[in-house]
Amino acid sequence: DAKTTQPPSMDCAEGRAANLPCNHSTISGNEYVYWYRQIHSQGPQYIIHGLKNNETNEMASLIITEDRKSSTLILPHATLRDTAVYYCIVRMMFTGGFKTIFGAGTRLFVKA
Amino acid sequence: DTEVTQTPKHLVMGMTNKKSLKCEQHMGHRAMYWYKQKAKKPPELMFVYSYEKLSINESVPSRFSPECPNSSLLNLHLHALQPEDSALYLCASSRLLQGNEQFFGPGTRLTVL
Repeated sequence: DAKTTQPPSMDCAEGRAANLPCNHSTISGNEYVYWYRQIHSQGPQYIIHGLKNNETNEMASLIITEDRKSSTLILPHATLRDTAVYYCIVRMMFTGGFKTIFGAGTRLFVKA
Repeated sequence: DTEVTQTPKHLVMGMTNKKSLKCEQHMGHRAMYWYKQKAKKPPELMFVYSYEKLSINESVPSRFSPECPNSSLLNLHLHALQPEDSALYLCASSRLLQGNEQFFGPGTRLTVL
């Protein structure tokens, strides 16, 4: 089972920041939080990941709470092309490595 | 080259047919994955290969048979599928199994009649 909980859908006005929350209260100390998005009928696309520090790249910022039980993905200036399903994932450990289990995701609608 | 390619893009097959899906990457990644995605659902992990060896089989029925002939190629052989197996089949790769981002292909849309 996925270890994350996300709202099923959110709206955002074009040009504004989109803040997508994720709860992962059972995360273990060495498990990373990953974010992917999937635009309709395409394969998922990696956005960002982090362990406990906040992270930023050219696409987004990731804010992880100090207790690591939740995180927020921030798209600073959303565009219409950011309309997609956003998946927050905690990679689960197994013998030999990690596996990626997708949760239900948040469907983000960016409106003009 | 930072691309994962999948062929064919679309496949229609009958329940008695045998077909194969192909996935290829030339990024030097040593972990490769198959996912199945039904409409309006998240991708579900099926198989994971690490260094051409099967690491994870998520209790997938034997009518799906994966194969990793070399570090760049991943196949999914299909035989005696059911209509409920109709879905988007996604391939992904990552540098190693232990971490790193996964790069996904565009998927093969499979319809079983």
